[in-house]
Amino acid sequence: EAGVTQSPTHLIKTRGQQATLRCSPISGHTSVYWYQQALGLGLQFLLWYDEGEERNRGNFPPRFSGRQFPNYSSELNVNALELEDSALYLCASSLRGPYGYTFGSGTRLTVV
Amino acid sequence: RKEVEQDPGPFNVPEGATVAFNCTYSNSASQSFFWYRQDCRKEPKLLMSVYSSGNEDGRFTAQLNRASQYISLLIRDSKLSDSATYLCVVNGVTGGGNKLTFGTGTQLKVEL
Repeated sequence: EAGVTQSPTHLIKTRGQQATLRCSPISGHTSVYWYQQALGLGLQFLLWYDEGEERNRGNFPPRFSGRQFPNYSSELNVNALELEDSALYLCASSLRGPYGYTFGSGTRLTVV
Repeated sequence: RKEVEQDPGPFNVPEGATVAFNCTYSNSASQSFFWYRQDCRKEPKLLMSVYSSGNEDGRFTAQLNRASQYISLLIRDSKLSDSATYLCVVNGVTGGGNKLTFGTGTQLKVEL
């Protein structure tokens, strides 16, 4: 069974540009979660999607947005990139209910 | 008060030692609890779920005390390969959904 897949693995952007990160959940998982992890820091919750709808949002500015498609894959968009957006962006998926998440290997975004 | 609190460490222990990590959580309505392991610059991976009766998986034992809102992880006979950051994870019941809150992690370094 394929795990959670994220693309691209690495992304280098210039300040002010936009970045699009993609995530495909495990087959059968309807919930997708996005986290940001800056170097040396903990996971910061960004967004949660379930059945195509945004369920919860972390304490991030509106330039962080996303969506979930009918096939449950998801996209994270970051507009007007700032240097401090450089981080590992992790996507996770789960079944509905009190289950653990399975993470993808992440997209490492570098803003220069 | 943070939703999930852990001692950041690092815990430096010799190979073969027993080490214990503790974690407290603030949401008394939480239903599920987990320990994740994260290697440097990698995605977190589920180590084990934590059940009220306590559970064991090889050298790892997890305990939950709902009254004190406290979770522990015990690692016996530490191996060099156990060196990682251990994340305490608690779910928050949000509209019937499953949003996990991750602690900032406890770093373990197992030395020769």
